Amino acid sequence: EIVMTQSPATLSLSPGDRATLSCRASQSVTNNLAWYQQRPGQAPRLLIYDASTRATGVSARFSGSGSGTDFTLTITSLQSDDFAIYYCQEYLTWPRFGGGTKVEIK
Amino acid sequence: EVELLESGGSLVQPGGSFRLSCAASGFTFSAHTMSWVRQAPGKGLEWVAGISGPGAHPFYAESVNGRWIISRDNSKNTIDLQMNSLRVEDTAVYYCVRDLCRGGTCWYFDLWGRGTLVTVST
Repeated sequence: EIVMTQSPATLSLSPGDRATLSCRASQSVTNNLAWYQQRPGQAPRLLIYDASTRATGVSARFSGSGSGTDFTLTITSLQSDDFAIYYCQEYLTWPRFGGGTKVEIK
Repeated sequence: EVELLESGGSLVQPGGSFRLSCAASGFTFSAHTMSWVRQAPGKGLEWVAGISGPGAHPFYAESVNGRWIISRDNSKNTIDLQMNSLRVEDTAVYYCVRDLCRGGTCWYFDLWGRGTLVTVST
């Protein structure tokens, strides 16, 4: 069973900062990796799939990179509605999510 | 409008059963694999079951396999999740979700319902 580990658990940043979120798979998932954003009280929203492809309507401030076991979600110039929880998800086998990284206002 | 609407949740006793439904609108429902993803209070996300489009083949997470049944009705644009032998740890918000890919299964989800809370407790 593939285990997805996200770090850090919490990221404290200021508006305008750059956020770098990490996701590590316990074994290679090649590029079968998606990222989601979940704002408080809302359903998750797909941001990135195939490790680096932005979903329809997602701002270019969001970018994904990586392959194999190590992946990164980068958010440039944080805006107020970017403060949320971010989940990675592998889909090489079955959909499995990481534990999430909370991006909070410093 | 493209949307997914889950039926209302409930309080259910351990060992009991409950049926969730999801109504889809605004897209070619039969072309998409559909799934249920849950989120326990204050916790992360867990995929629990999915069902392919035309062939309606079901898939289950280990945590619910043998206890739950997912089904779909492409004539009504609905999916159901029959949850049997419910456990306290099944308490969660349940989201109905659409697989992004048409005609196949990608296992990533581009459309989410608002979610509905199922509480399993005495």
